[in-house]
Amino acid sequence: ETGVTQTPRHLVMGMTNKKSLKCEQHLGHNAMYWYKQSAKKPLELMFVYNFKEQTENNSVPSRFSPECPNSSHLFLHLHTLQPEDSALYLCASSQDGATGANVLTFGAGSRLTVL
Amino acid sequence: GQNIDQPTEMTATEGAIVQINCTYQTSGFNGLFWYQQHAGEAPTFLSYNVLDGLEEKGRFSSFLSRSKGYSYLLLKELQMKDSASYLCAVRDSNYQLIWGAGTKLIIKP
Repeated sequence: ETGVTQTPRHLVMGMTNKKSLKCEQHLGHNAMYWYKQSAKKPLELMFVYNFKEQTENNSVPSRFSPECPNSSHLFLHLHTLQPEDSALYLCASSQDGATGANVLTFGAGSRLTVL
Repeated sequence: GQNIDQPTEMTATEGAIVQINCTYQTSGFNGLFWYQQHAGEAPTFLSYNVLDGLEEKGRFSSFLSRSKGYSYLLLKELQMKDSASYLCAVRDSNYQLIWGAGTKLIIKP
């Protein structure tokens, strides 16, 4: 596989469930990102990992817990979510998390619905 | 605060030309990006401007004026497959990406 792969593509969960989103990149990039995309709103950066170290946490509620075991894999663990957390969750990667053009390569996203 | 403005939706005709504008107010400037996102798909990189002027890439061109805090994406010879959302993003002085809400472009035959 090439590019950035996200699984599952669709997820429906209750507010008391625990689930995880997975992201894998095959590009040899060193930075990985989680974004939240809601209809008609700008992309919201949630977390950034650079060389497996978390470098950004944009005041995300603790019910979202990221994990980055290596530079190729990124997880988002979900527990006790709220209906307003329903959105498209996008994973992205880039060569590094700092300077230069630093183009992001996105996955197709995981569409989350919280009932 | 930091802000990116772009029209919510635009409609154009197949074969025509359309210009999607983006204005920004950010703390510093370290480049402006345009991404294309088809419904249900990943955003994909279109262009990057860091200096004033026009960058041309096939049917797509992107323009930047840093003094005016303004950019546009120009799409020529529109095709039905150009129907998508177009996202403008600016990198600020801290190298943080500030995103617009996107412009949904509808192409009619």
